[in-house]
Amino acid sequence: NAGVMQNPRHLVRRRGQEARLRCSPMKGHSHVYWYRQLPEEGLKFMVYLQKENIIDESGMPKERFSAEFPKEGPSILRIQQVVRGDSAAYFCASSPPTGGANVLTFGAGSRLTVL
Amino acid sequence: GENVEQHPSTLSVQEGDSAVIKCTYSDSASNYFPWYKQELGKGPQLIIDIRSNVGEKKDQRIAVTLNKTAKHFSLHITETQPEDSAVYFCAAISGGTSYGKLTFGQGTILTVHP
Repeated sequence: NAGVMQNPRHLVRRRGQEARLRCSPMKGHSHVYWYRQLPEEGLKFMVYLQKENIIDESGMPKERFSAEFPKEGPSILRIQQVVRGDSAAYFCASSPPTGGANVLTFGAGSRLTVL
Repeated sequence: GENVEQHPSTLSVQEGDSAVIKCTYSDSASNYFPWYKQELGKGPQLIIDIRSNVGEKKDQRIAVTLNKTAKHFSLHITETQPEDSAVYFCAAISGGTSYGKLTFGQGTILTVHP
């Protein structure tokens, strides 16, 4: 079991470019969460998705950020027109359909640097 | 919404000593309190958790206590080892949330000196 796979592990973008972060959940998991970790801070919830559905996006910034989890393929977190404040580690977590927080498994994260 | 405060932000101990990290939460309806360990360059890993109907839980050298009245919970690590050095996060889930929408504390950098 490969666990939660995130790529790229490191991404460098210039201001104004787009960043796409991908997350493949653990085998058997169909629920995906995205969290953001700013330097020297705790993780902050962004969005919770099931296949083809956004369940809770209360932590997503209103503009420039979007997330999807298509029927086939990984979940994608997209950040358009990146700014320096978007520099952070973005963690994906997954859980099985029947589970809650106690069965969340986190990936190793994607670290975005905006120049 | 839920707010979780964690102290201290850094903790340095000698190998073999105990380490205690404390968290407070704001939502009295919160019912699940996990602790995560994050090593450099890795994602958080669940090390122990406690539900609101339990006051204490222990797993080998790690224990967690919960005081619902005071709305605080603590992580206790005994006989610390250098490999315990990492960042530790507490978290809570607001009552009524059945999925993994966690509110994290700010983290504690634990350093265990050999």
